[in-house]
Amino acid sequence: KQEVTQIPAALSVPEGENLVLNCSFTDSAIYNLQWFRQDPGKGLTSLLLIQSSQREQTSGRLNASLDKSSGRSTLYIAASQPGDSATYLCAAPGTGRRALTFGSGTRLQVQP
Amino acid sequence: SAVISQKPSRDICQRGTSLTIQCQVDSQVTMMFWYRQQPGQSLTLIATANQGSEATYESGFVIDKFPISRPNLTFSTLTVSNMSPEDSSIYLCSVEERDGSQHFGDGTRLSIL
Repeated sequence: KQEVTQIPAALSVPEGENLVLNCSFTDSAIYNLQWFRQDPGKGLTSLLLIQSSQREQTSGRLNASLDKSSGRSTLYIAASQPGDSATYLCAAPGTGRRALTFGSGTRLQVQP
Repeated sequence: SAVISQKPSRDICQRGTSLTIQCQVDSQVTMMFWYRQQPGQSLTLIATANQGSEATYESGFVIDKFPISRPNLTFSTLTVSNMSPEDSSIYLCSVEERDGSQHFGDGTRLSIL
């Protein structure tokens, strides 16, 4: 059964800092991994999808990496802004499954 | 990506009643899922909504409590039956796109008094 862990649980940084969010998963036979953002009281917004054949994926100031062999993914946010304040969720399917198992999230606050 | 509409967006219900949540997608999709997010928690899968057959439920979730319908490739409903305060959560539907990514509706925020 897939288990997904995210550290840190919470992070507070000053505006402009580069930061890294960590995600680990137990079942490495994944075909992709996805990062989401959730604002308070809102639904989930997909940020990046990394296919199992890819090592990283970039969108604007966001870069996600995937290392299947070690069961790890990182989300790098460059030049953080107050608008980046949200909860970031990592999710991956288990072997033979299409549904996602979610980590508990990292709650990010970027101070102006 | 697909546009996913969920209704209602929020509701306050009395214990013992039932509520049906609708999820409408603007394109045909094979895989649809229902998740629950309890207060302060992450998302947990309730079931996979299968078109034309019974939903596949995760451990801890049963059809009598969470009946699901999937009459076609663009629509699904989740009913939360005989509600108690412990059912107060956000309920979200998601669909799988052709590239394997999942996208979510805005969720239904449910409070039971």
